[in-house]
Amino acid sequence: ETGVTQSPTHLIKTRGQQVTLRCSSQSGHNTVSWYQQALGQGPQFIFQYYREEENGRGNFPPRFSGLQFPNYSSELNVNALELDDSALYLCASSPGTSGSQETQYFGPGTRLLVL
Amino acid sequence: AQSVTQLGSHVSVSEGALVLLRCNYSSSVPPYLFWYVQYPNQGLQLLLKYTSAATLVKGINGFEAEFKKSETSFHLTKPSAHMSDAAEYFCAVSDRQAAGNKLTFGGGTRVLVKP
Repeated sequence: ETGVTQSPTHLIKTRGQQVTLRCSSQSGHNTVSWYQQALGQGPQFIFQYYREEENGRGNFPPRFSGLQFPNYSSELNVNALELDDSALYLCASSPGTSGSQETQYFGPGTRLLVL
Repeated sequence: AQSVTQLGSHVSVSEGALVLLRCNYSSSVPPYLFWYVQYPNQGLQLLLKYTSAATLVKGINGFEAEFKKSETSFHLTKPSAHMSDAAEYFCAVSDRQAAGNKLTFGGGTRVLVKP
């Protein structure tokens, strides 16, 4: 069974650029969540997708957007990058059958540096 | 809105000593509670979770946690620390009344194990 994978592992961008991060969910999982983890802090919820529809959003501006595809893989897009967007971006998948008690399985993350 | 507080951003223990990591939550309805561990340059791995069965929950790697509603706490313990326990630990909650399983994390506690 393949776990959650993310690409790329590291990325360097400059202010104002756009970035796309990718996530492949664990086999059989139809729910994907994205989190931002700034250095020295806990992860912060960005948004969640369930069966290709957004299913909740955290306190992030609209320049953070996402997609979920029919195979349940997902993308996180960030436009007009700012220095504060530098962080580890974590993707997590879950089966989508047990609601809010369900375990989320995390990928290794993409580390984004904005210069 | 839910919140999670982890007392102590850093904890230092000797190998073989008790590990105690504190987590308190703020929520009008007791949430589901999770402990995750993050090793350097990796994603998060679930240690254990509380979903309203027994209040004492046993997890992987010898860790356990006890849910105390009166104290709004879910502290994590391990009787005897091992060098491999050096990592960052995150307490998280999800709203049992929510449709999705968004996680709200605490700020994390970094554990250093001394030989």
